[in-house]
Amino acid sequence: EPEVTQTPSHQVTQMGQEVILRCVPISNHLYFYWYRQILGQKVEFLVSFYNNEISEKSEIFDDQFSVERPDGSNFTLKIRSTKLEDSAMYFCASKLGRGMGNQPQHFGDGTRLSIL
Amino acid sequence: KNEVEQSPQNLTAQEGEFITINCSYSVGISALHWLQQHPGGGIVSLFMLSSGKKKHGRLIATINIQEKHSSLHITASHPRDSAVYICAVRSWGGGGADGLTFGKGTHLIIQP
Repeated sequence: EPEVTQTPSHQVTQMGQEVILRCVPISNHLYFYWYRQILGQKVEFLVSFYNNEISEKSEIFDDQFSVERPDGSNFTLKIRSTKLEDSAMYFCASKLGRGMGNQPQHFGDGTRLSIL
Repeated sequence: KNEVEQSPQNLTAQEGEFITINCSYSVGISALHWLQQHPGGGIVSLFMLSSGKKKHGRLIATINIQEKHSSLHITASHPRDSAVYICAVRSWGGGGADGLTFGKGTHLIIQP
């Protein structure tokens, strides 16, 4: 069964550095999402992306965050100047599309980001 | 903003027991997901439903739209079912790109 893949599985970065988290969504999916889960807390929505632009973003997704689909397969989340509180598990998800009724989101295994 | 509440927060049961995890939400939704998160952190989608009931193996999910409530049941529970079970909803009005709103999860431990 096709999967959403995320790399790296664990990223350790110094505070203030830029970090890029990478995701390869399922190949025929059209909607892409980033979520984060701070240790011990619930999963939170960051951003959704469709047709090469942001569709929706939460209040967490401020100017230090950006997303990009640089080619036909990758979907990236960039954090420009990392802070200690950015330490979390980041999940990518993708969904087939709207036109076929409700579709489930498929999640990757996550990238654990540790800011030192 | 949708508020998603799950109960119980923690549940320990013996192998073979029938398990029920509940989820309630505050605002009308277009879909509800039940997700499973293992200790390593990865998330697996178990069900997505917008009405009625779905069954997959020993797992059953139900939803009552009028009461804004869903339940996840596990029959003949097994230690390998031990995980965090998360309810997540997609609210109406935002179109297909809506992000999900998550509950805090129910930490389930099945003892042999």
